[in-house]
This record gives sequence, C-alpha cells and structure tokens, in this order.
Amino acid sequence: KAGVTQTPRYLIKTRGQQVTLSCSPISGHRSVSWYQQTPGQGLQFLFEYFSETQRNKGNFPGRFSGRQFSNSRSEMNVSTLELGDSALYLCASSLARQGGSPLHFGNGTRLTVT
Amino acid sequence: GENVEQHPSTLSVQEGDSAVIKCTYSDSASNYFPWYKQELGKRPQLIIDIRSNVGEKKDQRIAVTLNKTAKHFSLHITETQPEDSAVYFCAASMGTSYDKVIFGPGTSLSVIP
Repeated sequence: KAGVTQTPRYLIKTRGQQVTLSCSPISGHRSVSWYQQTPGQGLQFLFEYFSETQRNKGNFPGRFSGRQFSNSRSEMNVSTLELGDSALYLCASSLARQGGSPLHFGNGTRLTVT
Repeated sequence: GENVEQHPSTLSVQEGDSAVIKCTYSDSASNYFPWYKQELGKRPQLIIDIRSNVGEKKDQRIAVTLNKTAKHFSLHITETQPEDSAVYFCAASMGTSYDKVIFGPGTSLSVIP
C-alpha cells in the first residue's frame, strides 16, 4: 500500500498570505489528523477528521482550519500567516479514531513564513 | 487537564547499554499507549504500542511496561545501537471518548558508538 502523501513538501509564504496543505491517507484509512512540529515543541495537535467531520481540535487559533473529502483526503488551511506559523506540518492517517489506532505519518510539509 | 509528561528530555548512552524513557499521564482511564520514533529529518513511526489490559509487551530489543495504578509507562531499549538514535515520543489516549492521543514532549536519544 502507498503511504501517507503530503503535498507540497516545501512552501515559502509571506506574512498575511494564506496557504493550503494537502494530505492523502493510506487507502482504507478514514481518520486524518494534523500536527504542527517546531524545534523543541514536539507534536502539537491541530485537529482530526473522521468521515468528513472534525472530531477533535487542538488549541490553535481559528486561522487554522481543515476539511476532509469523501475519499478521506484532507486539506489544512492557514489564513493570515504569521512568522510563528513557520513549522513542519505533519498529517497522519489511521484506520479508526486516533485514540485507539496507530497513526501513520506523512513526510510533512515544511512551511516557511517570511 | 490532558497531559503526558516524558523524562528525560535528552538521553545519551553507550552502544550496547540499555535506555529507559518514562512517561506519566493524567487520565486514569486512558487505555491506549503508543510510542513513536522520529529519526532526524524523517517522519514519526510507530515502534510499539500497548493497551491497558496488558502490563508488558516486547518486540525484539524493545519493550514497554505499563503501571495503571501509578499512571506511568516506560519504553525499554536493550543492546542499543547507533541506529536507535532518534527522538522518541510517548502518547496516551484521552478525551471524552478516549478517541484522541496526547503526545509527550519527546526524548532525544543519542547512542554513542
């Protein structure tokens, strides 16, 4: 099976712009979760989508949003970018809800905001 | 609140020695505890997980132990090798329906040849 695919791998944006990141889960996986990773900050949970519905949300401002399509592919959008949004954004898919099922991570999208 | 603590934050061992990473969790009803390994520049990958109905699980040189009473679980790596050098994250299921995982802050393990 193909793994989790994230596009693009790298993005450079300027403050105030918006960005959309894409994640294609492993075939058959219904849950997609998004994480922000910055040096020294570990894996910060953004949100989880399951069956096209947002099931859980982390402590991030409303500028961070997402959605999931009927084929389980997911997108994450960040509006009005700030310098502090520079990070590696990881998505992970799982067969069932993330609380009981192993997460399979993609290689991430590295976002740089200048 | 929902919290997973992890210690130590950095760990350096000689090749062949054992390494132990400890995590504590806040919710006594948490029932799923995965461990992920992230090598430099790579994505996190699951290395082992344990559920609350099991006290210990082993997979070759890796083992995880769970103490539900004390609300802590540990990762044990024996006969460490340079390729074990990575950041290790523990996690625990939490939330109203225990449908999400909360990650610890990570432990950076260095195995010195």
